[in-house]
Order: sequence, then structure tokens, then C-alpha cells
Amino acid sequence: DAKTTQPTSMDCAEGRAANLPCNHSTISGNEYVYWYRQIHSQGPQYIIHGLKNNETNEMASLIITEDRKSSTLILPHATLRDTAVYYCIVRLNSGYSTLTFGKGTMLLVSP
Amino acid sequence: DVKVTQSSRYLVKRTGEKVFLECVQDMDHENMFWYRQDPGLGLRLIYFSYDVKMKEKGDIPEGYSVSREKKERFSLILESASTNQTSMYLCASSPGLARTGELFFGEGSRLTVL
Repeated sequence: DAKTTQPTSMDCAEGRAANLPCNHSTISGNEYVYWYRQIHSQGPQYIIHGLKNNETNEMASLIITEDRKSSTLILPHATLRDTAVYYCIVRLNSGYSTLTFGKGTMLLVSP
Repeated sequence: DVKVTQSSRYLVKRTGEKVFLECVQDMDHENMFWYRQDPGLGLRLIYFSYDVKMKEKGDIPEGYSVSREKKERFSLILESASTNQTSMYLCASSPGLARTGELFFGEGSRLTVL
């Protein structure tokens, strides 16, 4: 069973904020939310992760709802190079827990 | 810059051949992983390793084996390639136990088995 649910595809205008939602209603208290993206013909790239607090780095911001059942990845000023498949993954942050990738959201950034 | 290098971007092999896919990382990471990616199925974990000479099965290990003789190198072996192993193979590494969710991926090796 899928642990996360994401829209299949989204569009965003260049320069605007891209807000990518993810539902993870069965997340447990010790599971983190991870986001990756995969640009065409490249390997996936780690973006950000969080437990319950909002997180920000040079690539994106991660907003996690208070009940932790959903989250949003925000790319504040999307560029054409942000066109990619974005994966939301929940994972136990213990040493022997691996990442299971779902189908992700195809984000298309247009001029 | 961190780097995970896969030996070949494109390979074409015949059914029954033994295939080696090599992966090298220069970040002194403890953990290394092999995934395959297929349209409609996403990325699926084949094998992973948390230390030299150590390996663990992932979700789809059948038909594959791995070798990790040195920390920086993780090899995926197809003992007798079959057409259903035609796929994109992705190697990844990650730092120690505290950061195993932060994977660094290579560019991928696209294998075609005829």
C-alpha cells in the first residue's frame, strides 16, 4: 500500500511559487517526510526532509501540518530547470530503514 | 562536489550473459544502494549495503547479486541476464546511520538485454 499520495502532475509559471502537496495520513510518530526530485535522464536528487517542524534550505521549504498527515513542498521562485518528477516519501529515520519511491508528481514549469 | 559514478551509461547484452554494473562514490559514505527504475513502476530497491562485505536484500533481489569489497565500490551482478532485466539501474550512496535517508544518486546505467 502506498504510504503517500501525490497528484500525478502539476503546472507552474516560471517565477511563481510551486506548491507541491503530499498526503501521508498513516504516518507514524517516528517517521520523517523526505522530498526528492528527478530531472529527466538524471538520477534522483535529495531536496529536504522534516519530522514536524517546517524546514527550509537553499532549494525549498517544507511545510508539515500540525497533525502531520500532509505536507507541502514549496519552490519559492520556480525556474524552467525545476521541471522534474517530485517524490514525497515517509521513512523511519533509523539506520536500516530504506527509501521507497512512489510515482511522484510531474511538475512542469512553463515560461 | 559529491560524486557517485556508474561505470556505463548504456549497455546492450544478450540473454544469458553475465553482467557487471559498477558504482563508485568518492564521499566516504558507509551506505550504498542499487535501484532499478521502470516506467509505471517507479524506483525499486534491489540490494543495499551498510558496510564493506555486508549486503541486505531490498524489495526485488531475485536474479541479482552484489559485491562490496571496498567501501567506495558497490557492484551489481546479473548472473544470467534476461530480457525482463532490461531497465535503468541507479546506484546511490548515503552517509552513516544518522543520514541514511539522504541519498546521492549516480546518473544511471541503461541496460538492454536482447
